[in-house]
Amino acid sequence: GNSVTQMEGPVTLSEEAFLTINCTYTATGYPSLFWYVQYPGEGLQLLLKATKADDKGSNKGFEATYRKETTSFHLEKGSVQVSDSAVYFCALSDGDYGGATNKLIFGTGTLLAVQP
Amino acid sequence: DGGITQSPKYLFRKEGQNVTLSCEQNLNHDAMYWYRQDPGQGLRLIYYSQIVNDFQKGDIAEGYSVSREKKESFPLTVTSAQKNPTAFYLCASTGGRGFNIQYFGAGTRLSVL
Repeated sequence: GNSVTQMEGPVTLSEEAFLTINCTYTATGYPSLFWYVQYPGEGLQLLLKATKADDKGSNKGFEATYRKETTSFHLEKGSVQVSDSAVYFCALSDGDYGGATNKLIFGTGTLLAVQP
Repeated sequence: DGGITQSPKYLFRKEGQNVTLSCEQNLNHDAMYWYRQDPGQGLRLIYYSQIVNDFQKGDIAEGYSVSREKKESFPLTVTSAQKNPTAFYLCASTGGRGFNIQYFGAGTRLSVL
């Protein structure tokens, strides 16, 4: 079945450091890919998404490119801030875009801690 | 403002008790979902509903029940059959077929007394 694998955390960085959080997936068809962010004690917020191969999603300085050849969707940011400290989840849609259920399959999450 | 409201924020369950978590949305979304979040395990799907009066089991439905009598509401009952209910519960919704961005509530943290 479809699945998502994320790098384990926690990831601890100093402010202004470069961030990469790896995400790879296994899927049939052509799923959409997502990054969600969860701040302490809160629900998940969509950070960015990509719906087809070679698409680049971007938001708030974060970027991720849908790489079908390597089945990856790694999250990157050039210069992290203390306010970026959160848990980041990679996810894929279970089925093609427009699929009947719109279910999402989530990775286990990666905790990012940014120190001043 | 449109959004998803979950209540209560914190809930405590006694042995043998059923408890109900509320989820209300004013986004006019057709589909709604319940997830359970445990440390280090990501989110696991409990139940989902694509339309009023219809719902399907997710990956970990045992010990839970839901109803979908109104488009805006999708309450989750954690029954006494759920032996390990302590977790963070998240409700989400999406516009339906072809709209796969899920919007989440702030969650309910359930603990056992």
